[in-house]
Amino acid sequence: QVQLQESGPGLVKPSQTLSLTCTVSHGSISSGNFYWNWIRQPAGKGLEWIGRIYTSGSTSYNPSLKSRVTVSIDTSKNQVSLKLTSVTAADTAVYYCARSSSPHREIDYWGQGTLVTVSS
Amino acid sequence: QSILTQPPSVSGAPGQRVTISCTGSSSNIGAGYNVNWYQQLPETAPKLLIYGDSSRPSGVPDRFSGSKSGTSASLAISGLQAEDEADYYCQSYDSSLSGVVFGGGTKVTVL
Repeated sequence: QVQLQESGPGLVKPSQTLSLTCTVSHGSISSGNFYWNWIRQPAGKGLEWIGRIYTSGSTSYNPSLKSRVTVSIDTSKNQVSLKLTSVTAADTAVYYCARSSSPHREIDYWGQGTLVTVSS
Repeated sequence: QSILTQPPSVSGAPGQRVTISCTGSSSNIGAGYNVNWYQQLPETAPKLLIYGDSSRPSGVPDRFSGSKSGTSASLAISGLQAEDEADYYCQSYDSSLSGVVFGGGTKVTVL
């Protein structure tokens, strides 16, 4: 079955850009009609949807983060990427990559998550 | 503040039945969008528990059930077991935000 693995720096300085990559294995990222989501969870808090990208490259973002977020896809590497600019301590969270088959449907596969801490 | 509202915690003795509510609005649950539920054990990623309001993925015990009515949905856990102690999140789609929305999560404690 498909597996998702997040990777990237675990520590980012305030005002800098957070960059994460999600590598998809046991399945081509460009086959099938799937949406690739980024979701985050601050310690002890709930889940927050950040945004998503379709295999065609079309994107949708959480309005509260839209001005700072870019999600991209690299089908040649079977990867999805997240960039979040001008980070603050409030962006410290576990970041998950996750798959859904429609914007309106369930998220059926999740990565294990990666902790990103924003601190100087 | 989450778009979908869940109680912060519920508890029950082993064998009992507990329910978790998820209240939304006319732009999400009330608009007919699916409600999905996830179970999150400590230090792990969420796991899909209920999809399409009331369907269970393969491998999820039938002790877990979901329902929806109007602008609300519920997750019921019957025959509560110690292993059910976890955080539970509801999720739907919101047409006003054009995106995925989650409830704030409910911690289930087995007494």
